[in-house]
Amino acid sequence: AQSVSQHNHHVILSEAASLELGCNYSYGGTVNLFWYVQYPGQHLQLLLKYFSGDPLVKGIKGFEAEFIKSKFSFNLRKPSVQWSDTAEYFCAVNSDNFNKFYFGSGTKLNVKP
Amino acid sequence: DTAVSQTPKYLVTQMGNDKSIKCEQNLGHDTMYWYKQDSKKFLKIMFSYNNKELIINETVPNRFSPKSPDKAHLNLHINSLELGDSAVYFCASSHKGMNTEAFFGQGTRLTVV
Repeated sequence: AQSVSQHNHHVILSEAASLELGCNYSYGGTVNLFWYVQYPGQHLQLLLKYFSGDPLVKGIKGFEAEFIKSKFSFNLRKPSVQWSDTAEYFCAVNSDNFNKFYFGSGTKLNVKP
Repeated sequence: DTAVSQTPKYLVTQMGNDKSIKCEQNLGHDTMYWYKQDSKKFLKIMFSYNNKELIINETVPNRFSPKSPDKAHLNLHINSLELGDSAVYFCASSHKGMNTEAFFGQGTRLTVV
């Protein structure tokens, strides 16, 4: 069965620290990959997406992610986090065989001021 | 303009009651979804509709009945509510297939007492 794994369930960082959140998926076909962010009490918002082309994608608020096909990974990075980045981060996968967006279990990021 | 709107935002009800959540999107998408987010923030697909036709039903109890009067609306009716139904329910929409992202509504926090 297809799955999306986020290995970091809870990450605590100080402001200005660098961030990397892992995401791995298990599907061998063509995929679209996403990172969504959910601020406390809010809905999911798209941070960035990968459809094709350059495997390094840049999103909003200084986030970027790299698609490594051989590793089935799409890790999220940010060089310097801010307190306002405190949120839940979800990796998601879509493919034409899924007919849905399949989400990982989420990573809770706490940034200490 | 709100792209995907859900009503109500909060819903508190007693066990055994029947309730509905409404969702509307003005993005011109042909596919709509219902997701359930539990207390651990895990997002699970419940239903997916394309052009008013059900294409995914992820082993959801038949107390949950989605209805899509047109492709811009996907409502969720829940019969005989149980304590375990307490969660945040998100509606989302997208174009069908690949190279599309999902847009989410604000969520409906359902509390069954």
